[in-house]
Amino acid sequence: GENVEQHPSTLSVQEGDSAVIKCTYSDSASNYFPWYKQELGKRPQLIIDIRSNVGEKKDQRIAVTLNKTAKHFSLHITETQPEDSAVYFCAPFPSGGSYIPTFGRGTSLIVHP
Amino acid sequence: GAGVSQTPSNKVTEKGKYVELRCDPISGHTALYWYRQSLGQGPEFLIYFQGTGAADDSGLPNDRFFAVRPEGSVSTLKIQRTERGDSAVYLCASSSAGGGNTEAFFGQGTRLTVV
Repeated sequence: GENVEQHPSTLSVQEGDSAVIKCTYSDSASNYFPWYKQELGKRPQLIIDIRSNVGEKKDQRIAVTLNKTAKHFSLHITETQPEDSAVYFCAPFPSGGSYIPTFGRGTSLIVHP
Repeated sequence: GAGVSQTPSNKVTEKGKYVELRCDPISGHTALYWYRQSLGQGPEFLIYFQGTGAADDSGLPNDRFFAVRPEGSVSTLKIQRTERGDSAVYLCASSSAGGGNTEAFFGQGTRLTVV
């Protein structure tokens, strides 16, 4: 099955700084790469995703970059705000087999005002 | 409703008892997933349905766990002879296509506590 790792496990930044979280995966057949945000006690929610035919996607302060050769994709948050504080999960999705997204262990982002 | 609904939101049960957790996916979504999330961990895959059939149940930890989706919509996760180690948040997610490449929408979860 897919082996997914996220780094760092915890990230602490000052408000206004940028944050980058990296996700590495093992299944070269993966072709859909979402990032989920989970606030304390709440459900995971999709914040941005990318498909294997593009290298970068932006949505306001959030971007995702993909390196299929190296099998990693990264979440970039610029101008961080306290409400960005949450746990972020990557969940690469294979194109074959059972189509089951495998979640990383999560990155806890803390934005200090 | 418009989203994935899970009931109950909280369940406390005694060790050895049987529990059922219900998931109501978004209408029309053919793919349904069950995950289990322990504190400080990412969601751990349990079982995946495509329509009425379990396409992959390789994540079920043992034969005390079973899930059904008889009409291809609502799913029930059943746990027999519960153990304290079963305590976790059980998350259900659905998506519109089983071929991947589509967003999985999560329910709010059922927090199961086995005492």
